[in-house]
This record gives sequence, C-alpha cells and structure tokens, in this order.
Amino acid sequence: EVQLLESGGGLVQPGGSLRLSCAASGFTFRSYVMSWVRQAPGKGLEWISGIRAGGDESYYADSVKGRFTISRDNSRDTLYLHMDSLRVDDTAAYYCAKMGDWDYNPHVNYWGRGILVTVSS
Amino acid sequence: SYVLSQPPSVSVAPGKTARISCGGNNIGTKRVHWYQQKSGQAPVLVMYFDSDRPSGIPARFSGSNSGNTATLSIIRVEAGDEADYFCQVRDSDSGHPVFGGGTKLTVL
Repeated sequence: EVQLLESGGGLVQPGGSLRLSCAASGFTFRSYVMSWVRQAPGKGLEWISGIRAGGDESYYADSVKGRFTISRDNSRDTLYLHMDSLRVDDTAAYYCAKMGDWDYNPHVNYWGRGILVTVSS
Repeated sequence: SYVLSQPPSVSVAPGKTARISCGGNNIGTKRVHWYQQKSGQAPVLVMYFDSDRPSGIPARFSGSNSGNTATLSIIRVEAGDEADYFCQVRDSDSGHPVFGGGTKLTVL
C-alpha cells in the first residue's frame, strides 16, 4: 500500500523558513517523479513543485520560484520542501504527491494526508 | 497559463446523475484528470486520461472530453459522493500540472 506521510509543518513568522519532509513507503520511491501541491484554506489545489526520480531536475510554479527548494533522498525514501522568505499567502495545507506520466500527462496517483503551514505574526 | 473553469457548485438528488464540467480552450486535445476531495481529507484520483478509472473507484464514475469541455459523470449518486471535485491537465506552455477551481457536489 502506498503511503506518504508529511511532517515539519507549523506556525512560522513572515520572512521565516520551514522544511517539510515526506516519508514514502509501499512503492519504489527512486523510480517516480514526486511533487508538492498546496491548498490555501477554503481554496483550490495549486501544484507548486516537482522533482525527477533521480533528483537531477526540479520544477517550480512562479508563485514559489526562488523561495522554495525541492529535494529528495532516495536512500531514505524521503521528499523535502525547503521554504524560505515565507509570506502570509503561503499559508496552506501542503500535500506530498506521487506523480504519474510526468512528461506527457502529469497527474497525481497518490496523495499524502497533508500538513498545515501557517505564516502569521 | 492554461485556465480551467468549473462551476462552483452542483446539486443532485440521491439516485440521479451528476455531471461536473471542466471548461478550457480546446481541452479536448488534452488529457483530463479528476480528483475527489471529501471534507477534511486529502484528494483522491477518481479519473485519469479522460475516462480511465483507478482501481477501487466505482463504475458509477465515468469521464468524457471533447471540444472545450470535459465532464465527470456520476450515475446513481449516493450521499457518500458529496465532495469537492477538481479537474486537472498539463499546461502546454510550462509543462506543469494546472487545476480547475473545483466544484462542490451536494447530494440533496
């Protein structure tokens, strides 16, 4: 059974930093593109970042480019999201996502349960 | 970037058919994916590549895509189908996933 378990969320002040982790199990982690998708309270879904299976290429939405960094440790089956210069509008539930068919028709096969990040003074 | 338009809400009586639309310019040339998100839970993939159902998704769910509109249909709607539904495609310009704004399905 595929499991994705996020951790590292919480309350942070504007301008601060936070690192999210996602522990994966139930599939061959090193073989799949992974992403982070977020959802502001009461709002829709927003893809924000993805990383290739080998970690050699990463992708970002304009809303987080230059502030967030995605990475992975395939020896630990773990995905990360390092978030810098956090803003109030980064407040959201952050979901770890296992991707399918990234190069042609990317979609989320499996979602984590999500972790809440609140940016507030 | 590519824009997907969904109606904010759809209401349907139990046992009837719900149709949730997802509009986009020539969306029929893209592959559309659909997610169900029940209150307080993470999303779940319920349809991919327009009309393929993941294992575990009931056959009551089906999808279609043509012209400027993709549609997720649910026949014999049950109370447990009440949820937010999001469509998603690949943005050709960026290569990244883009989501519709979501439709809240209410079972009367």
